[in-house]
Amino acid sequence: ELKVEQNPLFLSMQEGKNYTIYCNYSTTSDRLYWYRQDPGKSLESLFVLLSNGAVKQEGRLMASLDTKARLSTLHITAAVHDLSATYFCAVRNAGNNRKLIWGLGTSLAVNP
Amino acid sequence: KAGVTQTPRYLIKTRGQQVTLSCSPISGHRSVSWYQQTPGQGLQFLFEYFSETQRNKGNFPGRFSGRQFSNSRSEMNVSTLELGDSALYLCASSFVPQETQYFGPGTRLLVL
Repeated sequence: ELKVEQNPLFLSMQEGKNYTIYCNYSTTSDRLYWYRQDPGKSLESLFVLLSNGAVKQEGRLMASLDTKARLSTLHITAAVHDLSATYFCAVRNAGNNRKLIWGLGTSLAVNP
Repeated sequence: KAGVTQTPRYLIKTRGQQVTLSCSPISGHRSVSWYQQTPGQGLQFLFEYFSETQRNKGNFPGRFSGRQFSNSRSEMNVSTLELGDSALYLCASSFVPQETQYFGPGTRLLVL
């Protein structure tokens, strides 16, 4: 069964610093999503990555996918307070049962 | 374009009661998925509907059920509520099952 692991689960960083969140998954998948959730709010789609080597960027966030390593990264460049949120990766199971399996999320706090 | 709407937003029930939650997808979206979100378990997939048919189901007991109507609106029902059913229930819609899901604000259920 597909398992998705994110690390770290908690991250406190200073404004202006760079950091990377990792998402590992255990079996073959054909797409990986990154979402953001602000406290008390719903989830907002950030990126969908479809193929090996895919890289997507939006502002200070950049996501990449290595399907051979079954690894996606979400890189934060020069963090600002507004990026404080919980970030989730979700992987769609390949095969017949194509449900979306979610990581536990990375709770990011960007401090001044 | 209106987003995904969920009603009610908040609900308090007692053990043994049943509850029905409603979800209206983004106009034109025909796929609706339901998730349970709790602090300990994260986001867990409940079921996915497309064109009024349940396509996938998560590992939840039979007390959890759902349906989708011809206008793509969906409902989920939980019978014989237990304390552990207290959670945020999120609905997400997409054009078709494989595409990016857009989430509603959720229904926060508290079971006493």
